[in-house]
Amino acid sequence: AQSVTQLGSHVSVSEGALVLLRCNYSSSVPPYLFWYVQYPNQGLQLLLKYTSAATLVKGINGFEAEFKKSETSFHLTKPSAHMSDAAEYFCAVSERENQGGKLIFGQGTELSVKP
Amino acid sequence: EAQVTQNPRYLITVTGKKLTVTCSQNMNHEYMSWYRQDPGLGLRQIYYSMNVEVTDKGDVPEGYKVSRKEKRNFPLILESPSPNQTSLYFCASSPQGVSGGYTFGSGTRLTVV
Repeated sequence: AQSVTQLGSHVSVSEGALVLLRCNYSSSVPPYLFWYVQYPNQGLQLLLKYTSAATLVKGINGFEAEFKKSETSFHLTKPSAHMSDAAEYFCAVSERENQGGKLIFGQGTELSVKP
Repeated sequence: EAQVTQNPRYLITVTGKKLTVTCSQNMNHEYMSWYRQDPGLGLRQIYYSMNVEVTDKGDVPEGYKVSRKEKRNFPLILESPSPNQTSLYFCASSPQGVSGGYTFGSGTRLTVV
């Protein structure tokens, strides 16, 4: 069965520092992978997705993620954190041939940015 | 503006009183889905629909019903709500399958007392 593990339920960084949010998945076939961001009292917004092309994926707001099949990882990074990046981040996976369109979500990582 | 609209945003109800949470999308998307979000559990799929009149169970369907009579609407029905259905609910839609990425609504916070 597919699963997603996000290491660290809370991550705190200083403004301007590197952001690294970790995501590992288990899947029997190369999956689709996603990162979503949730701001307080809002729905989830798609940050970026990996479907089949380049393994380094660039998303919105300066975030990027690298698909590493050998490590079954899809870590999210941003070179320089901004106060507005404070939010909860979810990694999600779906098998390519999944007809139900189901995303399996990780438990989420809350990112805090200190001034 | 392309969006998924859920109503209501907040709802407090009593055990056993039937309720419906509406969901509508204006993007002509084929796929629609309902998720619930609970602390420490992330988001879990309740039901999904691949097209009009085509619905199926997700991971946590017990106590819920859905219908898809029109492409744009996908209501979530709780026939007899119980306190363990207190949660944050999200409706989402996607143009075709999951590869395009889902667009989520703003959520409905439901409390069952």
